Amino acid sequence: DTEVTQTPKHLVMGMTNKKSLKCEQHMGHRAMYWYKQKAKKPPELMFVYSYEKLSINESVPSRFSPECPNSSLLNLHLHALQPEDSALYLCASSQESLADSYEQYFGPGTRLTVT
Amino acid sequence: AQSVAQPEDQVNVAEGNPLTVKCTYSVSGNPYLFWYVQYPNRGLQFLLKYITGDNLVKGSYGFEAEFNKSQTSFHLKKPSALVSDSALYFCAVRPYGNNRLAFGKGNQVVVIP
Repeated sequence: DTEVTQTPKHLVMGMTNKKSLKCEQHMGHRAMYWYKQKAKKPPELMFVYSYEKLSINESVPSRFSPECPNSSLLNLHLHALQPEDSALYLCASSQESLADSYEQYFGPGTRLTVT
Repeated sequence: AQSVAQPEDQVNVAEGNPLTVKCTYSVSGNPYLFWYVQYPNRGLQFLLKYITGDNLVKGSYGFEAEFNKSQTSFHLKKPSALVSDSALYFCAVRPYGNNRLAFGKGNQVVVIP
C-alpha cells in the first residue's frame, strides 16, 4: 500500500478562522512533508518531519503550524490566513529523509481557499 | 545549490508517437533524480528514479528515463504516447546529503488523439 490520505479534500475558510489539515500514511515511513502548490507550478516545501521531530521549516509564516502526533499522522494548523495562502496543500512521506535515494509519496492534497 | 531546468512549457505529441520530456540539472556531487506526474486535481505520482548504475531507468506506465552525466540530463521518454498520458510532469533532483527535493517548473504534456 503506497497511499497517503489527506482530509479534507476542499476547505474554504475566512481570514479569522482556525482550521486544520490532516495527513495519514501507513507505509511505516519516518519522514513526512508539507508542500504548498499554486496552479501549474511546482510544489514548494514548507516543513519536514523526521522521526516525529521537525527538521526543516522553510521560513514559513507562523500562521501555519505543523504537528506530528505520531509516525503515521501529520497535521497542519491554520490560523489568520491571507487570500494569497489559497493553494493546494500536499502531504508526502518517504522511508527516511536522510537517505536521499528514497522517493516521496504524495497525497491527493487539500484545496484551500481563503476568503 | 541544486537546480532543475525543464526548458519547454508544453509538449504536444500525437497519440502513438514517441514522447520525450526534457530535464537538465545542476548539482554538486552525485544526484538522485526523480520524475513525477500530476493529473488534474491530484497529488504527484512517482514515476521513476535514478540512483546509480544503469543509465536507462524503467518506471511506471511504460515510462523510462535516460541519465546522461556528461550532459547533466535526465530526459523522460515513452515509446508510444496515450491520450491518458496528458498531465503535468515534474523532474526533481535531490543531491547527496541534502534532504530537500528541488523541482523543475513542470511540463504540460498534451497527447492529441
